[in-house]
Amino acid sequence: GQQVMQIPQYQHVQEGEDFTTYCNSSTTLSNIQWYKQRPGGHPVFLIQLVKSGEVKKQKRLTFQFGEAKKNSSLHITATQTTDVGTYFCLRSNDYKLSFGAGTTVTVRA
Amino acid sequence: DGGITQSPKYLFRKEGQNVTLSCEQNLNHDAMYWYRQDPGQGLRLIYYSQIVNDFQKGDIAEGYSVSREKKESFPLTVTSAQKNPTAFYLCASRGTVNSPLHFGNGTRLTVT
Repeated sequence: GQQVMQIPQYQHVQEGEDFTTYCNSSTTLSNIQWYKQRPGGHPVFLIQLVKSGEVKKQKRLTFQFGEAKKNSSLHITATQTTDVGTYFCLRSNDYKLSFGAGTTVTVRA
Repeated sequence: DGGITQSPKYLFRKEGQNVTLSCEQNLNHDAMYWYRQDPGQGLRLIYYSQIVNDFQKGDIAEGYSVSREKKESFPLTVTSAQKNPTAFYLCASRGTVNSPLHFGNGTRLTVT
């Protein structure tokens, strides 16, 4: 399975600020999933996007699927210390599920 | 309560020894996966199994072996051929293609 490229790999954010992490694919994605891994923990499923241009929100988190279904983004508003962790995107329509490096988020108070 | 159980949480071994990490799920999932995580490396796929008695190599299979004799179980053996075995190992499963992955709590293996 081809993995998507995720940028940035590291994101250091001031508490209260917004940030966005991006996933990009050279090929069209049938769908994309997002996961969050807290430090010392295991990845936990956040959401799946399926439709072109789809936007889904979970409180301060906004997930978007590109119109061409080749990219996706996660935007977090008013970052809190609870947002610390690594966020992964995954193309999930393969059996071979290869993750990228993810975006590791740290927050300064 | 359904889930994935990995045991033990911490494992220590001497260099040159094989060690087997346990992964059991009661979610009735067909597909199971093993990942390795090193600091700053994300999740790297070791082996995966789509169905009982079948498994495929992932991206970093060298030095590892698996078996899938039962639907519920997918043990991973870290052999002495694995050059840098110290890492955090995560097992996951899912029911169907496109369904979410469910992860176990992981096993931290330290080899000295």
